[in-house]
Amino acid sequence: DAKTTQPTSMDCAEGRAANLPCNHSTISGNEYVYWYRQIHSQGPQYIIHGLKNNETNEMASLIITEDRKSSTLILPHATLRDTAVYYCIVRVAGVGTYKYIFGTGTRLKVLA
Amino acid sequence: DTGVSQDPRHKITKRGQNVTFRCDPISEHNRLYWYRQTLGQGPEFLTYFQNEAQLEKSRLLSDRFSAERPKGSFSTLEIQRTEQGDSAMYLCASSSPPRTNTEAFFGQGTRLTVV
Repeated sequence: DAKTTQPTSMDCAEGRAANLPCNHSTISGNEYVYWYRQIHSQGPQYIIHGLKNNETNEMASLIITEDRKSSTLILPHATLRDTAVYYCIVRVAGVGTYKYIFGTGTRLKVLA
Repeated sequence: DTGVSQDPRHKITKRGQNVTFRCDPISEHNRLYWYRQTLGQGPEFLTYFQNEAQLEKSRLLSDRFSAERPKGSFSTLEIQRTEQGDSAMYLCASSSPPRTNTEAFFGQGTRLTVV
């Protein structure tokens, strides 16, 4: 079962920052938070991940609260091409490796 | 390296027929995952392999489903006696051995329609 909850949908104006929240209150101490996005009819695309420190890469920033019970993905200057479903995932331990357990995601629509 | 490749991209089959999908992971990745995604839902974990060993199977993977990775490279997912409820996107992903910076890379998926 998914360990994350996200709003079903959000709108964002083009050029503005998109802030996508995620709750993961049952996350364990060694479980990472991952973000992926999925544009219609394509496979999920990796965005960013983190454990407890804030992270930034060329696509986005990830802010994780100190208690690790929630996080926010920030797209600093959203474009129309950022319209997609964004998944917040907790990577959990499986047998011999890790599993990525998806929830239902947030459908982000970037408006012109 | 062109990433994770899945074949076919689309498959239409009649109920009761068998279908097989193929996944070619990124060449140095020894972990391989299969997911299923139905309309409006996030991908659901089905199974994964470490090299040729199938380490875990979801309870979603009924006995009509079988996955193999015979030489630890490509993988196949077979569905026998397909049902309309099997209609979905089947996604494959691969990753290198888990470290701090490991992420899974997904293919474009195989969309199955059972009529």
